[in-house]
Amino acid sequence: SAVISQKPSRDICQRGTSLTIQCQVDSQVTMMFWYRQQPGQSLTLIATANQGSEATYESGFVIDKFPISRPNLTFSTLTVSNMSPEDSSIYLCTGGGTEAFFGQGTRLTVV
Amino acid sequence: QKEVEQNSGPLSVPEGAIASLNCTYSDRGSQSFFWYRQYSGKSPELIMFIYSNGDKEDGRFTAQLNKASQYVSLLIRDSQPSDSATYLCAVRGSNYQLIWGAGTKLIIKP
Repeated sequence: SAVISQKPSRDICQRGTSLTIQCQVDSQVTMMFWYRQQPGQSLTLIATANQGSEATYESGFVIDKFPISRPNLTFSTLTVSNMSPEDSSIYLCTGGGTEAFFGQGTRLTVV
Repeated sequence: QKEVEQNSGPLSVPEGAIASLNCTYSDRGSQSFFWYRQYSGKSPELIMFIYSNGDKEDGRFTAQLNKASQYVSLLIRDSQPSDSATYLCAVRGSNYQLIWGAGTKLIIKP
């Protein structure tokens, strides 16, 4: 099973600022996925990140708000830009593979 | 639109009994099915995955898949209070993305 490390585990941020979340996988994976889970809701896919190409965003999510980097096959970052209280969520990453494992997630609170 | 449906619950089960969680999906082409457990404030934890029709057992957990009827279920035997959590069903679509159900909240009563 893959081990996924995500940081920070939590943060409290001021509105209008940006936060970059890092995701490290202990093995090479072709695809990495970024999810958001708002309070009391299920997971919503933000985007799929492939190494060497631009991320593919789901409906309702745009690159200007959630820029993603994927510099190699074990690492990705998600930036939440110009944050508002509505961005307060848990952000999760996972690596593609036979099974989908998550790291501990990033609990973001925007005040 | 591809969907995964779960009863939101809460499902209340006495300690020691069998908890039965169900999930239906709309995409007949789905090949991989996953059950996650999520405690409040924590990230989802993979419990089991299943690919083939029939049952798959792991300890107190049994996943059941019926592709013809497009449902997958999770049975938890000898339920413990520590099993109280939200259980998420996820189905891997043809584009390798996971499609998530809304989750079922399970409460095990001592």
